[in-house]
Amino acid sequence: DSGVTQTPKHLITATGQRVTLRCSPRSGDLSVYWYQQSLDQGLQFLIHYYNGEERAKGNILERFSAQQFPDLHSELNLSSLELGDSALYFCASSVVILGQGADTQYFGPGTRLTVL
Amino acid sequence: AQSVTQLDSQVPVFEEAPVELRCNYSSSVSVYLFWYVQYPNQGLQLLLKYLSGSTLVKGINGFEAEFNKSQTSFHLRKPSVHISDTAEYFCAVSAANAGGTSYGKLTFGQGTILTVHP
Repeated sequence: DSGVTQTPKHLITATGQRVTLRCSPRSGDLSVYWYQQSLDQGLQFLIHYYNGEERAKGNILERFSAQQFPDLHSELNLSSLELGDSALYFCASSVVILGQGADTQYFGPGTRLTVL
Repeated sequence: AQSVTQLDSQVPVFEEAPVELRCNYSSSVSVYLFWYVQYPNQGLQLLLKYLSGSTLVKGINGFEAEFNKSQTSFHLRKPSVHISDTAEYFCAVSAANAGGTSYGKLTFGQGTILTVHP
């Protein structure tokens, strides 16, 4: 158990819908990262938050957005869903100290999204 | 930007045999290197990491990896595998001491499926 929790485990929805994925980082970790794992694209970085602020964006679609709340949990919002958005979405947390380089990222169990 | 190439998509091996999973990377800056393992229907678990210091890194479950800067490689090895090592293995890099827009993100290889046969 990494200490990172994600809910829900599975999500089945229809095209055009909107969903919210939730992530709670390990106690004390200020950084949250979101990744998407799909068969054709592999594991891809989506977005990084540090202590409530967006720090980096990767290959994240404009239909997707995220935020990190004062209690440090994070939510990834996916809207106008398409079939191709079906994937496993992971969040990871780490004790990143700005200016000192990246530290180990601990991954949650993931949310499997199926868009029908 | 960084990129990672895992040279084998699948590696079959018999139980108690040695195994090597190959990983090459490309980066214009210094990097940190990681190996993660993903068991079926589970998240990613850190096996080992190289941040600095000794180029031979030992991890969990008897795995080790060697950082070779001149060959830009970080191959994962285990001298004797078990059935329970059957899983997908991912090599990943992040830019060391980076700031700005690339800070901390992991770039993953495409994964190597290790299948251990009895």
